[in-house]
Formats: sequence, structure tokens, C-alpha cells
Amino acid sequence: NAGVMQNPRHLVRRRGQEARLRCSPMKGHSHVYWYRQLPEEGLKFMVYLQKENIIDESGMPKERFSAEFPKEGPSILRIQQVVRGDSAAYFCASSPPRELGDTEAFFGQGTRLTVV
Amino acid sequence: KNEVEQSPQNLTAQEGEFITINCSYSVGISALHWLQQHPGGGIVSLFMLSSGKKKHGRLIATINIQEKHSSLHITASHPRDSAVYICAVRSEIWGGGSQGNLIFGKGTKLSVKP
Repeated sequence: NAGVMQNPRHLVRRRGQEARLRCSPMKGHSHVYWYRQLPEEGLKFMVYLQKENIIDESGMPKERFSAEFPKEGPSILRIQQVVRGDSAAYFCASSPPRELGDTEAFFGQGTRLTVV
Repeated sequence: KNEVEQSPQNLTAQEGEFITINCSYSVGISALHWLQQHPGGGIVSLFMLSSGKKKHGRLIATINIQEKHSSLHITASHPRDSAVYICAVRSEIWGGGSQGNLIFGKGTKLSVKP
């Protein structure tokens, strides 16, 4: 059972370009969370998705950032018109449905975005 | 003030020493996680606690719900334990069908010297 898969591991974008970060949850997991880790800072929640639904996007910047988790395929975090301040590590985590109760947190390896 | 505070921020130890990392939180929680992050690497879950104590190999995690405090202990520390250890809590106030997201401490950077 493969873990949470994120790709790419490293992504370099010029200012103004778009960044697309992908996350495939663990098999059987229908909940996906995205977190951002800025240099020298702790992880911060961005968005929580279930298949085809955004459940909580209270941590997402209001502009340029969007996330989706389609019926088929990975979850995508999309950053339009990137700026240097978007440079960070972006982590995805997945979990099974809530009715199974609190579970271990399963994280991906992260995508390190560098904006030049 | 952060909702999750860890101490110390940085910790250097000699191989073989007993290590304690502390985590205090200010919100009601449904669970507390201890995570490990190696430099440039991903995040690995070490423990999930809602009460009492858990042990895995040389790692022990405890939680006191009344005092809103948790500790992570490493016995017989080894250089390969060098990493950032992160405390994260799942707030019990998240509702609306959400399993709730995690609130993270800033991490404790541990360096174990041979």
C-alpha cells in the first residue's frame, strides 16, 4: 500500500508563472489536507477536501490559490502568478473517512516550490 | 500567543542521552500527534494520542489532558534521531462534518552528537 504520493518533489517557477502541485492519497483515503511550511516557520493548514468537495478552505489565500480533488485522479493545488513569497514546502496529508475516528496523520514527502 | 507551543526550540544532545521535548496547547483537542521531519525530507507520524501514554521502541509519548500538555521522550538517543519533532493537535471545535485540520507547533530541532 503506497503512502501519500506528492509530485513533483521540487518545482522551480519564475515569478508570474503557474505552479501545479499534485497529491495522490493513500488507497482507501477520501480526505485530503494541504499544508504550507514557510522557511523557519511551522506548518499551516490551507485546505481540506473530500472527493469533488472543498470542506474547509479557511487557510487558503483569497487570491491566486485554488485546490481541487476530482472524482478521478489526484488532488491538485494550483498557484497562479506565483510570487517569491510563495516559495515554501507544500505538504499533503490524507485520512480515511471520519466515521473511523481520529487516525494517524499520513503525510506525503512534500513539494518544495522555489520562485525565482 | 500560538495555540501550540513547543519547548525547547533547539536541543543538542550527546549520543545515549535521555531527551524530552515538551508541547503545551491552549485549545480543547480530540487528538495530539507527534511528527518527525528530517532535513529536506517528508513528515512521518510517530504517535497519535488522546490520553495516557504510548511507547514505540525508544520513543515514549505522554499526554495530560487536564494540564493540556504532552511530552515526547527519546531514550538512548542516537545521531539518526536528529530531526525536527513537531507537535500537532486536532481541535475538538471543528464541526460541520469536518474531521478537522491540525494545528502545529513550530517544532523542536534536535541534534544528537556522536
